[in-house]
Amino acid sequence: QVQLVESGGGVVQPGRSLRLSCAASGFTFSSYGMQWVRQAPGKGLDWVAVISHDGKVTYYSDSVKGRFTISRDNSKNTLDLQMNSLRAEDTAVYYCAKESKARRATAIDSWGQGTLVTVSS
Amino acid sequence: DIQMTQSPSSVSASVGDRVTITCRASQGISRWLAWYQQKPGKAPKLLMSDASSLQSGVPSRFSGSGSGTDFALTISSLQPEDFATYYCQQANSFPWTFGQGTKVEIK
Repeated sequence: QVQLVESGGGVVQPGRSLRLSCAASGFTFSSYGMQWVRQAPGKGLDWVAVISHDGKVTYYSDSVKGRFTISRDNSKNTLDLQMNSLRAEDTAVYYCAKESKARRATAIDSWGQGTLVTVSS
Repeated sequence: DIQMTQSPSSVSASVGDRVTITCRASQGISRWLAWYQQKPGKAPKLLMSDASSLQSGVPSRFSGSGSGTDFALTISSLQPEDFATYYCQQANSFPWTFGQGTKVEIK
């Protein structure tokens, strides 16, 4: 079955960088768009970024545009999120997520367990 | 960006009750709407995509309706395992956006 395992979370000071990774298995990784979604403590879901199946197309939320970069390695079945210039408001659980369809996805059908990023001095 | 507004923010209900959660988009999104259920400390779970397409394994007491800007998720007979927070999400255009969530609590 689909398995998504995030890693790389932790405590980081404001202004510093952190790189999250997601190891995917149980499906043909190179066929699906992948996303990152975050959730601040006690808050709702906040969409972060998406990357197309081939890595050629990316989109970001306004709140992270210019600071975060999503990337993937289809040879290793991994998804990454490079987070620079981190702010306190980036504190959240970050979920790696798989789109529901190989073409024109309209939902997220698989989620990782999440990794907590805490931005604090 | 498309704004998604859910109501109510929370609802208290009893086992066996019928519960309806609504979701309104700030502009038309056709039927590109999904519903998720999230329990404390867990990742969200996809219930419904394309407004009314039930995911495999999701009980038939869950149903979805709507198109354009107005959508609804209905639980026909609330069960103990349904107490959770529910989110709608539009997939019409990036950035995808979520509603603020509706917490279904035990009355």
